[in-house]
Amino acid sequence: ETGVTQSPTHLIKTRGQQVTLRCSSQSGHNTVSWYQQALGQGPQFIFQYYREEENGRGNFPPRFSGLQFPNYSSELNVNALELDDSALYLCASSMGQGAGTQYFGPGTRLTVL
Amino acid sequence: GDSVTQMEGPVTLSEEAFLTINCTYTATGYPSLFWYVQYPGEGLQLLLKATKADDKGSNKGFEATYRKETTSFHLEKGSVQVSDSAVYFCALEDSSYKLIFGSGTRLLVRP
Repeated sequence: ETGVTQSPTHLIKTRGQQVTLRCSSQSGHNTVSWYQQALGQGPQFIFQYYREEENGRGNFPPRFSGLQFPNYSSELNVNALELDDSALYLCASSMGQGAGTQYFGPGTRLTVL
Repeated sequence: GDSVTQMEGPVTLSEEAFLTINCTYTATGYPSLFWYVQYPGEGLQLLLKATKADDKGSNKGFEATYRKETTSFHLEKGSVQVSDSAVYFCALEDSSYKLIFGSGTRLLVRP
């Protein structure tokens, strides 16, 4: 069984640029959630996708957007990057809505200069 | 809204000492509760979970009991090892199926 994978591992961007982060969910999982973890803090929920539809969103501006594909992999897009977007971005997959535990990938470390 | 409060760290212990990390929550209803662990430079790993009152989650010597009366889910281990050094996060799953995390507690175990 393949776990959750994320790419890239690290990324450096400058303010105002756009970035796309990718996540492959664990085999058999159809729900993907994205979290932002600033340094020294707990993860904060960005949004969740269930069967290719957005299924809940946290307190993040519209420049944070996402997609889920038919194979249940997912992308997180962030436009107009700001310095405060520097964080570890975590993807988690689960089987169904509230039907199973969320399993996390290793994360993508984004640095905005 | 729902929230999770953890004891602040760092918690520094000697090897084989007893560990308690306190976690309390505020929530509507009876959410599932989780402990995740994060080793340096890595993502989150599920340590244990409990889905209803009085459930005890356990894994790798760690235990936590879902206490509805005190809205708590304290993490315990009888004898810690150096390899347990990490950041521990308590979390609840709210009614929208998203996880709400505490701020994390760093544990440092010295030989």
